[in-house]
Amino acid sequence: TQLLEQSPQFLSIQEGENLTVYCNSSSVFSSLQWYRQEPGEGPVLLVTVVTGGEVKKLKRLTFQFGDARKDSSLHITAAQPGDTGLYLCAGGGISNDYKLSFGAGTTVTVRA
Amino acid sequence: GAVVSQHPSWVICKSGTSVKIECRSLDFQATTMFWYRQFPKQSLMLMATSNEGSKATYEQGVEKDKFLINHASLTLSTLTVTSAHPEDSSFYICSASQSYNEQFFGPGTRLTVL
Repeated sequence: TQLLEQSPQFLSIQEGENLTVYCNSSSVFSSLQWYRQEPGEGPVLLVTVVTGGEVKKLKRLTFQFGDARKDSSLHITAAQPGDTGLYLCAGGGISNDYKLSFGAGTTVTVRA
Repeated sequence: GAVVSQHPSWVICKSGTSVKIECRSLDFQATTMFWYRQFPKQSLMLMATSNEGSKATYEQGVEKDKFLINHASLTLSTLTVTSAHPEDSSFYICSASQSYNEQFFGPGTRLTVL
C-alpha cells in the first residue's frame, strides 16, 4: 500500500489545456516534493513545499500544500509538449530519517 | 548546484557476473545516499539507505548479499549487483541528500542481464 496516493494515473491532453495532478495521504508530512522524470533519466526536483497552505509558482506550474500537510496538488496552465513526463510526488519527515515516500506517479502526455 | 552523477549509464552483462554502479554527488557532500530500482512506467522502489562510513540499511525483501552497497566517502556510494540474473535487469537510480527535505537524483543506470 502506497503512503501517498496520486491521481490520475494517466493524463493525456492537448497542447494549451490545463491539468491538475493530486497527491493525497492520511499521514502528515514535514515536507513534500514534486519531481518530473523523462524516460531513461532520473527524476528532476521541481519544488519542495514545507508549510501547510503554502502555494508556490514556477512559471506555468503551481504547487499547493494542504493546510494539514497531508495532500498536495500540481497544476499546469497551458500545457506544452515539453511538459510530457512522469510526475512523482514524495513526502518526507514521516520517520526520523531522510527517506521519502513516493506516490505511484502520474504519466502526463501533452499532444501537439 | 546539487548535481548527482551515475556511472555507467547503461550496462549489459552475462548471467552470473557482478556489476558495479557508482553514484557521486559532484558539488555537495551528501549525508545520506539512497538506491532505488524502477520498473517501466512505475514509481521508484527504495532498495537501501546508505550513510558514509556505516552499513547500509536495506528495505524489506531486498537481499543485502546480492546488492552490496559501499559508501566510502560523503560524495561516493557504490552498488554492486552480485551474480546478476535476468530478473535483476532494471533501471537503478541513486539519490543524494543533505537534509530531510530533498533528494537529488542521478540520471540512472540501465542494467540488462543476458
